[in-house]
Amino acid sequence: NAGVMQNPRHLVRRRGQEARLRCSPMKGHSHVYWYRQLPEEGLKFMVYLQKENIIDESGMPKERFSAEFPKEGPSILRIQQVVRGDSAAYFCASSERSYTGELFFGEGSRLTVL
Amino acid sequence: SQQGEEDPQALSIQEGENATMNCSYKTSINNLQWYRQNSGRGLVHLILIRSNEREKHSGRLRVTLDTSKKSSSLLITASRAADTASYFCATVPPTSGTYKYIFGTGTRLKVLA
Repeated sequence: NAGVMQNPRHLVRRRGQEARLRCSPMKGHSHVYWYRQLPEEGLKFMVYLQKENIIDESGMPKERFSAEFPKEGPSILRIQQVVRGDSAAYFCASSERSYTGELFFGEGSRLTVL
Repeated sequence: SQQGEEDPQALSIQEGENATMNCSYKTSINNLQWYRQNSGRGLVHLILIRSNEREKHSGRLRVTLDTSKKSSSLLITASRAADTASYFCATVPPTSGTYKYIFGTGTRLKVLA
């Protein structure tokens, strides 16, 4: 029973390039959350998606950032024209039900912008 | 603003001692959860306590919840070196139409062998 799978685990991009982070939730989970973590800090909520729908994107910058969770395939967090301030660990979590259950986290994708 | 704030930010204890960390939050909640994060890894769920519960146990973990004070505590008894990690509380505020889990700033626990 595979857990939440994130890839790539490490990604290096130069300023202005695009970063695509993928997340496959646990089998049977239809709720996906993306969080961002800076070193020695807590997790900052970015976006909450259900299959084919963005439910809450209040934590995501309106420019350059987008997220999707298609009917088939993994959830994608896309960052266009990356800047050094985008360097962080991005975590994906999935749950079976919204708001009542525990979250299952992936190991994160660590983005470094040169 | 951050919903959860853990206290202390960092804690260093000897193996075998108990570790207590606290979480305060600002709004009413559906439930409160505690997670552990080992260095460089993802978060792992430890325990969930519902808003109508006051105390819950799981192995060496004991969680309390005081909704009147909007606070929770996590007690780890007989700590081990393997308990070294960051611990986060997470709450889901019952605002309309959104169920985002809000994480606190974390307590970094170091257990010395």
